[in-house]
Amino acid sequence: GAVVSQHPSRVICKSGTSVKIECRSLDFQATTMFWYRQFPKQSLMLMATSNEGSKATYEQGVEKDKFLINHASLTLSTLTVTSAHPEDSSFYICSAREARQGRSETQYFGPGTRLLVL
Amino acid sequence: GNSVTQMEGPVTLSEEAFLTINCTYTATGYPSLFWYVQYPGEGLQLLLKATKADDKGSNKGFEATYRKETTSFHLEKGSVQVSDSAVYFCALKGSQGNLIFGKGTKLSVKP
Repeated sequence: GAVVSQHPSRVICKSGTSVKIECRSLDFQATTMFWYRQFPKQSLMLMATSNEGSKATYEQGVEKDKFLINHASLTLSTLTVTSAHPEDSSFYICSAREARQGRSETQYFGPGTRLLVL
Repeated sequence: GNSVTQMEGPVTLSEEAFLTINCTYTATGYPSLFWYVQYPGEGLQLLLKATKADDKGSNKGFEATYRKETTSFHLEKGSVQVSDSAVYFCALKGSQGNLIFGKGTKLSVKP
């Protein structure tokens, strides 16, 4: 089946630094990738929708200048948490939707990235 | 707006017990409904889905029926195994193609 990878799986950083998280579709092309955030014992909340070659669409309340998303190719999207603060500590999950006719409904999820900001 | 409510866990069952995880939704229209499963250390995987009312999704012995009358999509399995231990998420498809998730229900199956 389709595989989505995320890197790193876990990162610890100091407050004020920036962290980049990569999301790759390994064996398929993804025109759309989604970035979610999950708090402990909470649901996954959509942060932004990333379309290859265009600007990401952010959900209400998500700061676009803080969470920079780049979707430069059909297999890679990156999320950069700029000037990270302890409240940004969370579990970040990406998903990719296959760019093939008839397969547009299925999303494939990465394993997630645990971010801890000290 | 659209939302999903699922029963809170954790749920602990003995092997071969019957499983039900309740899920209800609030939505405009009739969106596609999904159950995703997350095994320890892995990403979410699609378990089953239903795209219209009265559809039944099934996979690996799990079933869920899209009930528009009760706005529900309960997950059931007749006989659970230890390997079914995981977190289960109910979700509906949003207007942008994104998924709107419930909070997840952790299932632990004891031998």
